[in-house]
Amino acid sequence: GAGVSQSPRYKVAKRGQDVALRCDPISGHVSLFWYQQALGQGPEFLTYFQNEAQLDKSGLPSDRFFAERPEGSVSTLKIQRTQQEDSAVYLCASSFGSSYNEQFFGPGTRLTVL
Amino acid sequence: EDQVTQSPEALRLQEGESSSLNCSYTVSGLRGLFWYRQDPGKGPEFLFTLYSAGEEKEKERLKATLTKKESFLHITAPKPEDSATYLCAVQAGETSGSRLTFGEGTQLTVNP
Repeated sequence: GAGVSQSPRYKVAKRGQDVALRCDPISGHVSLFWYQQALGQGPEFLTYFQNEAQLDKSGLPSDRFFAERPEGSVSTLKIQRTQQEDSAVYLCASSFGSSYNEQFFGPGTRLTVL
Repeated sequence: EDQVTQSPEALRLQEGESSSLNCSYTVSGLRGLFWYRQDPGKGPEFLFTLYSAGEEKEKERLKATLTKKESFLHITAPKPEDSATYLCAVQAGETSGSRLTFGEGTQLTVNP
């Protein structure tokens, strides 16, 4: 079946603008994760959903970052009042089980804040 | 705090020249250690999961092993198409939930 998809693939925003990044997980996957990857670094955890419940948001860097998954499928990561330090690749991953299974990643959204 | 350190940062090999990548970890209660491959402009691609010391898994030219402190990704007779960044990640005890903690990766280049 289809893998994890993300849109847009590239986003350029002016500092101070709000952005919304979308993730479509693999059908039937219960768990959904967001990670942030800076250039030349490994991905860093942002937040985790099990179905529609956000069980861990401890990695969100500030209250400008907000994520939702209202129907337990598609998820949106929203960043308000973007700053230059928000420039990174945002990766979405999903896994079949509730917690401890391999995570399958989407292609990412590259966000550039000018 | 969970920590993952990968070495070397970059590795250049000639086609057919076998080598190993290292992943050292410090976690409270390892639940799983994961290896991913990442090509430029793409998301990480799952390779292996290892759960306990002594476990080994193989896929084509790749073999992953696990001890209580580190994991190795052995590459046998690599080909240019094996060029990529290899990421190691751990999933730790209940205090860390389901998150993966990644190392910074090893950038592998295989020259023909």
